[in-house]
Amino acid sequence: DAKTTQPTSMDCAEGRAANLPCNHSTISGNEYVYWYRQIHSQGPQYIIHGLKNNETNEMASLIITEDRKSSTLILPHATLRDTAVYYCIVRPLSGSARQLTFGSGTQLTVLP
Amino acid sequence: ETGVTQTPRHLVMGMTNKKSLKCEQHLGHNAMYWYKQSAKKPLELMFVYSLEERVENNSVPSRFSPECPNSSHLFLHLHTLQPEDSALYLCASSQYSGRGGEQYFGPGTRLTVT
Repeated sequence: DAKTTQPTSMDCAEGRAANLPCNHSTISGNEYVYWYRQIHSQGPQYIIHGLKNNETNEMASLIITEDRKSSTLILPHATLRDTAVYYCIVRPLSGSARQLTFGSGTQLTVLP
Repeated sequence: ETGVTQTPRHLVMGMTNKKSLKCEQHLGHNAMYWYKQSAKKPLELMFVYSLEERVENNSVPSRFSPECPNSSHLFLHLHTLQPEDSALYLCASSQYSGRGGEQYFGPGTRLTVT
């Protein structure tokens, strides 16, 4: 799996957009970018994933650079309930089901 | 019940006890997973059951024994655990099609070994 690099922590004001960066400079052509989050003491929650086009769903937007070496998860209007650890994961299209490797993630704190 | 459920939510056990964690998924998925999350550490994949096959992390001690009787149920049998096994144990499921698939997690079982 490609290694990802994320900032350890970030703060965001409530109501503002939260932009969480992720570097995956060694990503290969057959790997998707996935984002999950984990609210304290709960199970991780799937947010979004993409290959090379920008993606949007009801939770967030995912912007992937043209060279695919980095991406940004955008929470358009952060709320206090978005405080969580956010994980960026790259994963191949095919292969063993085990290949979903969580790193240390980014602790996002939404401030009132 | 919807999604992925886990029981019990909290468990305290002695090192000589035998207990089991249960996971049930109501999503029609065909792959289930056990993860371990120790304090201030990333999630660690322990076991995968996919298309009725078992895949495991070779670093998991034999005192953890998984069982998957069908595609909706997954158990983790525990015996003679150590205090360092205290952690949050998370179950997940996905629709494994060989092209990945997002995983849906349960709330976890908080295990304390005394």
